[in-house]
Amino acid sequence: NAGVMQNPRHLVRRRGQEARLRCSPMKGHSHVYWYRQLPEEGLKFMVYLQKENIIDESGMPKERFSAEFPKEGPSILRIQQVVRGDSAAYFCASSLDVTDTQYFGPGTRLTVL
Amino acid sequence: KQEVTQIPAALSVPEGENLVLNCSFTDSAIYNLQWFRQDPGKGLTSLLLIQSSQREQTSGRLNASLDKSSGRSTLYIAASQPGDSATYLCALGDSNYQLIWGAGTKLIIKP
Repeated sequence: NAGVMQNPRHLVRRRGQEARLRCSPMKGHSHVYWYRQLPEEGLKFMVYLQKENIIDESGMPKERFSAEFPKEGPSILRIQQVVRGDSAAYFCASSLDVTDTQYFGPGTRLTVL
Repeated sequence: KQEVTQIPAALSVPEGENLVLNCSFTDSAIYNLQWFRQDPGKGLTSLLLIQSSQREQTSGRLNASLDKSSGRSTLYIAASQPGDSATYLCALGDSNYQLIWGAGTKLIIKP
């Protein structure tokens, strides 16, 4: 059973471009969580999704950021018109049920030039 | 608002020593507490999960304790090894899914 997969592992974008981060949860997991880790800081919760539904997006900036978890395929975190402050490591986690342990992917390190 | 603090930010000890990492939090109303390990360029590995009703959990050379009344958790590592070198993160579940994280303690075990 493969773990949580994230791609790309590293992503470089210029200011104003779009960034798309993908997360494939563990097999059988329908709950996905996105976290952001700024340099030298702890992780911050961004959004929690179940299949086709956003359950809690309270940690996600209201502008430029969006997330989805379609019926088929990976969860996508999309950042439009990136700025330098978006440079961070973005981690995805999945769980079998909402109260179960969250398993984390290796992260996507986004660098905005 | 829940705040999680980990002190020290960095720690270097000789191989073989026992050590304690600290995590403090401001609100005792938590669902659970987890300790994670983060290796450079890699994901996060869950080490121990303590439910709100529990006081400690053990796995191999690791022992984590939880004292909600004082807002503290400790991660005890026995007989440290160079392979234990990593950043250790403490995360609180203050709802049934949202984790609130400390900034971590970077641990270096010197051979």
